[in-house]
Amino acid sequence: NAGVTQTPKFQVLKTGQSMTLQCAQDMNHEYMSWYRQDPGMGLRLIHYSVGAGITDQGEVPNGYNVSRSTTEDFPLRLLSAAPSQTSVYFCASSKGRQLLNSPLHFGNGTRLTVT
Amino acid sequence: QQPVQSPQAVILREGEDAVINCSSSKALYSVHWYRQKHGEAPVFLMILLKGGEQKGHEKISASFNEKKQQSSLYLTASQLSYSGTYFCGTAISAGGTSYGKLTFGQGTILTVHP
Repeated sequence: NAGVTQTPKFQVLKTGQSMTLQCAQDMNHEYMSWYRQDPGMGLRLIHYSVGAGITDQGEVPNGYNVSRSTTEDFPLRLLSAAPSQTSVYFCASSKGRQLLNSPLHFGNGTRLTVT
Repeated sequence: QQPVQSPQAVILREGEDAVINCSSSKALYSVHWYRQKHGEAPVFLMILLKGGEQKGHEKISASFNEKKQQSSLYLTASQLSYSGTYFCGTAISAGGTSYGKLTFGQGTILTVHP
């Protein structure tokens, strides 16, 4: 039982490049989400999904796309990387569709630098 | 809509107590608490639900004042391992449309010295 697995751990991109951050969970969780963490800003929600085929925007969705074709996987796509997207990205999953009484399980993060 | 945490930072000696507060401008259904050590992922500590139910860590206590839309995390007899950044996350009342979103505060940095 690996929990939430994120790849890669580190990535450097040039402005304008695109890439996909991978996230997979083996706990059969319905809820999955992506957060970015910047110094002094806490964790900000980018996109989330309450099940396969269902996604919705969070607080800071611009510049990012997601899809959820399976329960296990929730990739995050950067369409055209910008220096403002330099951050640490965390994927998190939860058993319940509603986060009201189910904790989030976080992956180990992807540190992205855009030059 | 981001909850506000206070204090921003606190420094303790081992054995001392600390309280971390989390306030929201919206009516809350639940409050989550997480701790993050440097370079690591956040780790779940506790969930407090409207109505008084709690789920989480046996050695950490917390309160949830629904009327004031506030939660407090109580760390007693602190240990070196308590050092880290503590985040509260808030889920608004089920009558709204954002129940799938957990909004985090900016964090409180706790440092425990020997």
